Formats: sequence, structure tokens, C-alpha cells
Amino acid sequence: DTAVSQTPKYLVTQMGNDKSIKCEQNLGHDTMYWYKQDSKKFLKIMFSYNNKELIINETVPNRFSPKSPDKAHLNLHINSLELGDSAVYFCASSQAGATNEKLFFGSGTQLSVL
Amino acid sequence: DAKTTQPNSMESNEEEPVHLPCNHSTISGTDYIHWYRQLPSQGPEYVIHGLTSNVNNRMASLAIAEDRKSSTLILHRATLRDAAVYYCILRDVPGTYKYIFGTGTRLKVLA
Repeated sequence: DTAVSQTPKYLVTQMGNDKSIKCEQNLGHDTMYWYKQDSKKFLKIMFSYNNKELIINETVPNRFSPKSPDKAHLNLHINSLELGDSAVYFCASSQAGATNEKLFFGSGTQLSVL
Repeated sequence: DAKTTQPNSMESNEEEPVHLPCNHSTISGTDYIHWYRQLPSQGPEYVIHGLTSNVNNRMASLAIAEDRKSSTLILHRATLRDAAVYYCILRDVPGTYKYIFGTGTRLKVLA
């Protein structure tokens, strides 16, 4: 029973298209994140949501729009895809405020923009 | 953002202990030290964390310097499955929602 699951695992698309990545967590956590890992393997935080409220937006272009319909879901919609958007996108969750707070990651979505 | 410095890569022989260092000279009194690792083609996974005292769990041990400006992740007996990128992260007080990953240390385990 996967704790943090994201779909699809692979996404190949053309420049200019719009695509979405879905993420769900069954851990009962109240905070969810999107991270981007580029070709050099740098892992950068993009967004953080706490109780469906946007907490962190790390200067991500407006083409990226996260949506959290409930605490268990955080989807990422990307408009007008560009070559530079090619990367692996990871969803994660945590229970904020706990002294043993730790991140749980999904297995990633590899996005290739052609 | 609190920053950490780690060696780019390290090698270890199988069945031997591995000490992965991390420098965090600008650490504040409320920063927790977290370690995560990323196996090939997987998302990062939590390994261990601590504040001031040394910590042990089933995966590893965390040794924290007395001045807290450095820490060491210890894998007591490296196996081939431990080959991964290990990230040392400073996290401010619980609930600040921000985990900043550095470049990490790529650990290679030799059979």
C-alpha cells in the first residue's frame, strides 16, 4: 500500500502542451510538496501546501499551478510546456509540527518535453 | 536558508562501516539535522534526524558534533543496497514546511 503515489510515472509530450501530474498520500499528513530534480540531480522545492493552503512558492513560473482539492491530494498542472521543464518531479508529504516530522516522497514522474 | 556542505562522492567496501560527513557551520539553535538518501530511480527516503544528541535507528547512526557545526551519518556495515545519494539537510523548527536539499554525497559500495 503505497504511502505517496504519483501518476503518471513517465510523461512524454511536445513543447507548448499542457499536462498534469497527480499526487495522493494516504498517511493522513497535512502538508504536501512538489520538488523538481533536474538533469544535474539538484532537488529543488517548488511548492508546499498545508491544509490545502499554499505556504511556499519558490519563484516558480506562473505556468506551474498546483491545486490541492483536499489534504490528501496535491496535483501539479503545467501550461505551455518548455524544453527546460524536462525533469523528474517528486511529490512529498509530511505531518507539520511534529518533532519527528519527516518527508515521505513518491517515486517521481519523469517529464520529457520534446 | 541554512546550508550544508558534503563531499560529492565517497566509496566504501561492502561489509565495512561508512562515515558520511556534513558541515553546517551556520546552523541555528533550532535547526534539526536530517539525513535522506535517494536510491537510483527512486524518490528520497528518510534515514535519520537529530537536534543535539547522537541518534541511532535501524538504518544508521547520527553523530552530532558538540558545537553542532558538523555531523556524520554512520552506516555500520555497508551493503550494495546502500549505494545512493545521501543528503544532509537542516530543517528549522517543525512546521516551517521547508526542506532544502543540497548536492548530496554519492556513495559507491564496492563488492
